[in-house]
Amino acid sequence: ETGVTQTPRHLVMGMTNKKSLKCEQHLGHNAMYWYKQSAKKPLELMFVYNFKEQTENNSVPSRFSPECPNSSHLFLHLHTLQPEDSALYLCASSRGRGTSRSNEQFFGPGTRLTVL
Amino acid sequence: AQKVTQAQTEISVVEKEDVTLDCVYETRDTTYYLFWYKQPPSGELVFLIRRNSFDEQNEISGRYSWNFQKSTSSFNFTITASQVVDSAVYFCALSRGGGSQGNLIFGKGTKLSVKP
Repeated sequence: ETGVTQTPRHLVMGMTNKKSLKCEQHLGHNAMYWYKQSAKKPLELMFVYNFKEQTENNSVPSRFSPECPNSSHLFLHLHTLQPEDSALYLCASSRGRGTSRSNEQFFGPGTRLTVL
Repeated sequence: AQKVTQAQTEISVVEKEDVTLDCVYETRDTTYYLFWYKQPPSGELVFLIRRNSFDEQNEISGRYSWNFQKSTSSFNFTITASQVVDSAVYFCALSRGGGSQGNLIFGKGTKLSVKP
């Protein structure tokens, strides 16, 4: 176990549903990340939070809405998704920006999302 | 621009064979970090190694070894005496150094299948 947990592990939703993905890290880190992993594409960084502040939004459509209430928790709220949004969504954490080893990221097991 | 290329999409070997996974990177930064991650079927990315651009010394950890060659911009990963449990997708990644938060740029991954 890497110290990063994600729930649910699998999610099937319709295009009109609203759902949320949850990530929790138990490593004392201050940075958290959302990545999207689609079939046959490289891992794509979606969002970065440092000390609860969003520091990067990688041109992600507004149907994906992140929330970081504290340094240990990260959510990804989903609404009116498209079938092409079906993917593995991975959460990661690291030490915060400006600290040593801030680029060493630890990943959760991911949520396998299917949009019908 | 930063880029990571893993030219081998899939590799299949028989148990106990040695196997090398190739990684070639592009960056204009003088300070950067290179990583290898393993993604077993369970989905989470498992951190294997981090190497900074100033340290070209090769590293060995058990059956794993890494060959960093700045002259050819390569950071290859060798598994000696492969085992079935090594079957996974392996990702090479690159991030900026110099104290900035290194968001990871991933290659497309190499799927390794080790057959008994």
